[in-house]
Amino acid sequence: AQSVAQPEDQVNVAEGNPLTVKCTYSVSGNPYLFWYVQYPNRGLQFLLKYITGDNLVKGSYGFEAEFNKSQTSFHLKKPSALVSDSALYFCAVRDMFDAGKSTFGDGTTLTVKP
Amino acid sequence: DVKVTQSSRYLVKRTGEKVFLECVQDMDHENMFWYRQDPGLGLRLIYFSYDVKMKEKGDIPEGYSVSREKKERFSLILESASTNQTSMYLCASSDPRGASVDTEAFFGQGTRLTVV
Repeated sequence: AQSVAQPEDQVNVAEGNPLTVKCTYSVSGNPYLFWYVQYPNRGLQFLLKYITGDNLVKGSYGFEAEFNKSQTSFHLKKPSALVSDSALYFCAVRDMFDAGKSTFGDGTTLTVKP
Repeated sequence: DVKVTQSSRYLVKRTGEKVFLECVQDMDHENMFWYRQDPGLGLRLIYFSYDVKMKEKGDIPEGYSVSREKKERFSLILESASTNQTSMYLCASSDPRGASVDTEAFFGQGTRLTVV
């Protein structure tokens, strides 16, 4: 069985400050990890993924995430937040030997204030 | 530009109606998914298909069925719509090969279904 926890329903940051959206996971095998973003009344858009290799993954719009195997975490980060980053963010995990079913977290609403 | 297209953005149906939600992808992906999204509950998997005519129940299949007659098309069917099926429905596709470029899911724009 696999699961994802996003411990914060809401994250508020000021524009220009660094942001972190937290994600921890549980999977029986080796994980594939993903972050997606959702703007109001839209589908989810892929941001970045960890498959193998470097623990620090860089993605779209200046976002990055760090895979930490010992802490089973994959936190999303950005050095300087923009108001336009305000959206709903989902973390997802998939076992690399599963046919393709990912499990999603409940989502974290990020609000960046001017 | 890769695309997953859902046939309707907004839909209003009456209780007891049979409802069809259609999804088409143009990426030759083998995997296709239907999720529903409700506030505070995240994304919940309804059904999953890993090949034509193949399907697997997700976490909340009750009240739903699916059809995949062609690789590019995955339909979600509400046999008899009820008010508790009012929700946002999201279709997605992905490539199951572990190291492939498309291992992440590509989502459609969503269908907001209201059952009255």
